[in-house]
Amino acid sequence: QQQVKQSPQSLIVQKGGISIINCAYENTAFDYFPWYQQFPGKGPALLIAIRPDVSEKKEGRFTISFNKSAKQFSLHIMDSQPGDSATYFCAASKKTSGSRLTFGEGTQLTVNP
Amino acid sequence: EAGVAQSPRYKIIEKRQSVAFWCNPISGHATLYWYQQILGQGPKLLIQFQNNGVVDDSQLPKDRFSAERLKGVDSTLKIQPAKLEDSAVYLCASRKGRGGTSSQETQYFGPGTRLLVL
Repeated sequence: QQQVKQSPQSLIVQKGGISIINCAYENTAFDYFPWYQQFPGKGPALLIAIRPDVSEKKEGRFTISFNKSAKQFSLHIMDSQPGDSATYFCAASKKTSGSRLTFGEGTQLTVNP
Repeated sequence: EAGVAQSPRYKIIEKRQSVAFWCNPISGHATLYWYQQILGQGPKLLIQFQNNGVVDDSQLPKDRFSAERLKGVDSTLKIQPAKLEDSAVYLCASRKGRGGTSSQETQYFGPGTRLLVL
């Protein structure tokens, strides 16, 4: 009920390409879906987040697509850059559980120059 | 605005020893979380505080882990005695409040403490 499943585990794209990471959740009570970016030796940092009342949110090169009926959401990184190379985590939370985050397993993204 | 501070950054101990981690959240943030991140996995919640009260410690191994949040500000997480499987990064995060706005919802993470148990 609390799981968030993320794929792929690793992803290699060329500079300028599109990176796509997918997540699926089980608990329909989740009401907040953030994506976090983590560089080696650093803590996760919020990248972009969405609530289930919208199907898409865009911030710069980063877009979240959300499909409530399928219980899936994805992160699209347009014009991927070598500086985007990091580990990306999707997560989900619900207010009734104190907004604690349930994380996916992570995707290690490598953008080749 | 200063971020979430954690210390130490690295710790190496032998099994059965004890260890303590310290976290100073962002000023004014009422909610504090401790997460455990095992290598190659996503962070998993250990305990959540609202001010100085525990909200959720259902996933904290209470036979060996303990945590407290003094005066609703700093927090310490202790492991006693440590096991090999406790090797992980321990992340502290804080959140401003209980409201539903985006700024209040965002959890800000510290750099973590990397623990190696030998």
